[in-house]
This record gives sequence, C-alpha cells and structure tokens, in this order.
Amino acid sequence: AQSVTQLDSQVPVFEEAPVELRCNYSSSVSVYLFWYVQYPNQGLQLLLKYLSGSTLVKGINGFEAEFNKSQTSFHLRKPSVHISDTAEYFCAVSGSFDNYGQNFVFGPGTRLSVLP
Amino acid sequence: DGGITQSPKYLFRKEGQNVTLSCEQNLNHDAMYWYRQDPGQGLRLIYYSQIVNDFQKGDIAEGYSVSREKKESFPLTVTSAQKNPTAFYLCASSIVSGINYGYTFGSGTRLTVV
Repeated sequence: AQSVTQLDSQVPVFEEAPVELRCNYSSSVSVYLFWYVQYPNQGLQLLLKYLSGSTLVKGINGFEAEFNKSQTSFHLRKPSVHISDTAEYFCAVSGSFDNYGQNFVFGPGTRLSVLP
Repeated sequence: DGGITQSPKYLFRKEGQNVTLSCEQNLNHDAMYWYRQDPGQGLRLIYYSQIVNDFQKGDIAEGYSVSREKKESFPLTVTSAQKNPTAFYLCASSIVSGINYGYTFGSGTRLTVV
C-alpha cells in the first residue's frame, strides 16, 4: 500500500522569501509523484509531476520539486513567493493502473500563507 | 478548451432529500473519479469508473451512488443515507495507461445541508 505524509499542515512565509513544502511517501513499487495546488473554493490544479528521468522537476508558477528515492521524498520549493501563492498544496503518489483501477493517494495538504 | 465541468457550484439539500451532482468532461478520458473534501482531511475517494457502465467503490462509498452511461458523464447522487453530506465534492478524470499522467479536476460543488 502507498501513503503520503506532508509534515507541515501550515507554512507561513513572508513575501519574496523562499519556501519548501515537504512530502514523504512510502511505496513498495515504482511511483509517480505529483504536486497539486488548490485555491479557495476551486478544484485542484497540477503544479508538476515526476514520471521518470531527471529527478529535478520544474512546474508552473516558478515551482520545482526534487525526487529523492533514497529518502522517499518529493519536496516542493520556490525561491521567492508571492502573495498569489497563498493556497493549499497537495502531494500525491501513484503507481501504474492495474485491473482494479487507480491507486492515487493524496497527502493531507499544506496550507501556504504568504504574508506581506 | 477541454476540461471538466461540475454543476452546480453551490447546492443546498434538505434533510432526507437525494441530490445529484453533475460532472461532464470533454477530454476523451476513460477514467473518472469522485472525491469528497472536508477541512483538514484532504481528499477521500467515493467512487471511480474506468469504462462506461462499470464503476467501483472507493474508501467512503456508503450513502452515495453513481452511474456511467456515457464516457463524458459521471453523475454522483448523495442519498438520504449519507448522514453528514456537507462537504466540497470534486470530480476528476484521467487517461488509462501503464503510466499515470495525473488527474484533471473540475472546479467542485459545495454541498450544504439546511
């Protein structure tokens, strides 16, 4: 079974400061990793994903994440945040589809608050 | 533009009433999903469907029902058996392949019991 841990439920940070949102996962098989962002009363939007290849993945809005297989981590980073980055961020892990369908597991989310 | 449309955006339900949430996609995705989101609890899977006329229960299917008569549509009915239906409901879709490329989400329906 797969699981996702997001250690920080809330992260306050000042505007233009760097931020790191932590994500750790457990899985016995090869995984695909994702970060989604959710603005208030909206659906989830894909920020970036790791499927294979380079462990450093760049996404939208200046975010990037690094896949670390030995530490089973996929932390999200941004060098300089803006007020508009205030949102909920979800890490997710998935294996391949099988005969039983999806096995997409979401973390509990981290609320990023960017302060002026 | 392709995407997922959920309607209505806000829905109010009286005690003992069934309500149906709509989800339509024009992405030609095979798989569709319904999630429930409560504050501080992340996303929980209600039902999912990989092909037309077939669907599977997720982690919290009790009190909910779905149908998949068309590839584009996956409506969710919240029945009177669901004792605490107030939540934010998200519909998603994806292709089905050996690699999971991720899900596309709709903008959600907020259901409130009055």
